[in-house]
Amino acid sequence: AQTVTQSQPEMSVQEAETVTLSCTYDTSENNYYLFWYKQPPSRQMILVIRQEAYKQQNATENRFSVNFQKAAKSFSLKISDSQLGDTAMYFCAFMTRNSNYKLTFGKGTLLTVNP
Amino acid sequence: GAGVSQSPRYKVAKRGQDVALRCDPISGHVSLFWYQQALGQGPEFLTYFQNEAQLDKSGLPSDRFFAERPEGSVSTLKIQRTQQEDSAVYLCASSPGLSRSSYEQYFGPGTRLTVT
Repeated sequence: AQTVTQSQPEMSVQEAETVTLSCTYDTSENNYYLFWYKQPPSRQMILVIRQEAYKQQNATENRFSVNFQKAAKSFSLKISDSQLGDTAMYFCAFMTRNSNYKLTFGKGTLLTVNP
Repeated sequence: GAGVSQSPRYKVAKRGQDVALRCDPISGHVSLFWYQQALGQGPEFLTYFQNEAQLDKSGLPSDRFFAERPEGSVSTLKIQRTQQEDSAVYLCASSPGLSRSSYEQYFGPGTRLTVT
């Protein structure tokens, strides 16, 4: 069974600074996909960034980037130039074709951006 | 449609009542997923449809939970004889298909179920 662990229940950062959220996972699969989702207080889950395990290059989406370490099974999210609108719960998630593409989520990290 | 919609957004049920939660996926999306999110937790998988076929129901917590998608579009999650432990947010997600290029899931706003 696949598991996803987010070891930081809560984090805070000052506006305009950089913050890194940690995620580790456990799987015996070789082909899989990793995601970071954002869930603001309004509750709608929004995809932030995704990474295919077969790609060595780390994914980047504007201010968001990941550090994917396949051997260590680590997938951290870096948010640069933090904005107040980044305040939300962040979930790391994992998916494989063999599991019918269902998502396995971590417990989440509550990020607060302070003015 | 513009996105995944769910109704109702909030539902309060007395213990023992039956409830039905509706999900309208993005038009044309083949895959549909239901997740249960307890307070302060990450979502947990309940069941998965490919068109009208329910291919995976391994996450349904008991036989009181039932899901259907009869015409391959709208889906309903039904909970019979609700219990307090069923209180959670129920999230629906859809994705275009199963190929490697179309696995991204788009989530609805969820239905918050409170069982009193």
